Amino acid sequence: DTEVTQTPKHLVMGMTNKKSLKCEQHMGHRAMYWYKQKAKKPPELMFVYSYEKLSINESVPSRFSPECPNSSLLNLHLHALQPEDSALYLCASSQEGLPGVKTGELFFGEGSRLTVL
Amino acid sequence: GEDVEQSLFLSVREGDSSVINCTYTDSSSTYLYWYKQEPGAGLQLLTYIFSNMDMKQDQRLTVLLNKKDKHLSLRIADTQTGDSAIYFCAESDRGYQKVTFGIGTKLQVIP
Repeated sequence: DTEVTQTPKHLVMGMTNKKSLKCEQHMGHRAMYWYKQKAKKPPELMFVYSYEKLSINESVPSRFSPECPNSSLLNLHLHALQPEDSALYLCASSQEGLPGVKTGELFFGEGSRLTVL
Repeated sequence: GEDVEQSLFLSVREGDSSVINCTYTDSSSTYLYWYKQEPGAGLQLLTYIFSNMDMKQDQRLTVLLNKKDKHLSLRIADTQTGDSAIYFCAESDRGYQKVTFGIGTKLQVIP
């Protein structure tokens, strides 16, 4: 299984809603990532979890709250978002952290397209 | 900080070679990558090159790295309509966790 699965594929929410994006991988990867991609822009790193601990937070506003319940799952909790937060949210995983594996290859899911009204 | 630059658009005829160029600023980049993104999909790694190499060939793909000029290119031989996508150049830091992407080059293949 070489897939990263993200749900939901599409999400529309109001500015007062609370929702969550979910990501799952069963490749035994120990690093998981959230990226944000706006239209015609490159993916921008938000968070990195390594061995279920948050290792990088790219100064993301607190209305985005990541969670890594176990090595296969990554969540992104959303609360009080703004319309400018509308974007494609991409989850990725990598083998980084496993002995002898250091190419940094990212395996991406198809993304969750978020619209904030 | 890291910065990766690419041209926005490239159009080629089916069967021709495509060359997509990229420049980066971080001299400590360890790996450089080419990712492909098809419409409505996530990114898929095409190939990567370690910073102490200057060329890597993988079937129709050839990656050239000029470390002195911080210039990376991807050549696709015999370009097919299925190669139409956005191609992202990316680089990673020594820790391998932080991958920085370029803006992406949209490749259009004309039948």
